[in-house]
Amino acid sequence: NAGVTQTPKFQVLKTGQSMTLQCAQDMNHNSMYWYRQDPGMGLRLIYYSASEGTTDKGEVPNGYNVSRLNKREFSLRLESAAPSQTSVYFCASRDSGREKLFFGSGTQLSVL
Amino acid sequence: TQLLEQSPQFLSIQEGENLTVYCNSSSVFSSLQWYRQEPGEGPVLLVTVVTGGEVKKLKRLTFQFGDARKDSSLHITAAQPGDTGLYLCAAIYNFNKFYFGSGTKLNVKP
Repeated sequence: NAGVTQTPKFQVLKTGQSMTLQCAQDMNHNSMYWYRQDPGMGLRLIYYSASEGTTDKGEVPNGYNVSRLNKREFSLRLESAAPSQTSVYFCASRDSGREKLFFGSGTQLSVL
Repeated sequence: TQLLEQSPQFLSIQEGENLTVYCNSSSVFSSLQWYRQEPGEGPVLLVTVVTGGEVKKLKRLTFQFGDARKDSSLHITAAQPGDTGLYLCAAIYNFNKFYFGSGTKLNVKP
């Protein structure tokens, strides 16, 4: 029972580099989410996808793009990484009609 | 500014003490949730409260939703080291957006 799987677990980038964070869920959930977590800031919503084929902005979308590749996978892309994007990134999923979010174990990203 | 304000930000207590954590907002919510997060892991849902004035108990944890549905509290009785973690409240906007508070970091010393 994998649940929500995020890769990689750790990543170090130089300013200006690009990368994609991967997320996959095996619970057949319709909705998926990307959050970032910074000290003292809790979790802030970057983007979410209510269903396959749709994506919407959250609180802090600038500097990020997302792709809902299929029902299982939701990726987050940093086109030109900045030190302000140093954070822990969490992916989550949810079944339609239910209010419980299931989280992955996070990706710790450092941008130097 | 955060939609949900949590207090206190940090709490360090001895095993056996009681504590209360607060989650406040100026907005009215249809429901509010509490999550617990351990280091290196994602948050895990503890409870969802839906009705104004509702009280839910989960062993030594008591959750209350304010009458006006703008605030909530989490009370832990006789805290244990295993309660150590980050406690986050969350509210749902427009059926799909989950917004989180800034969190309360609890440390229970043996």
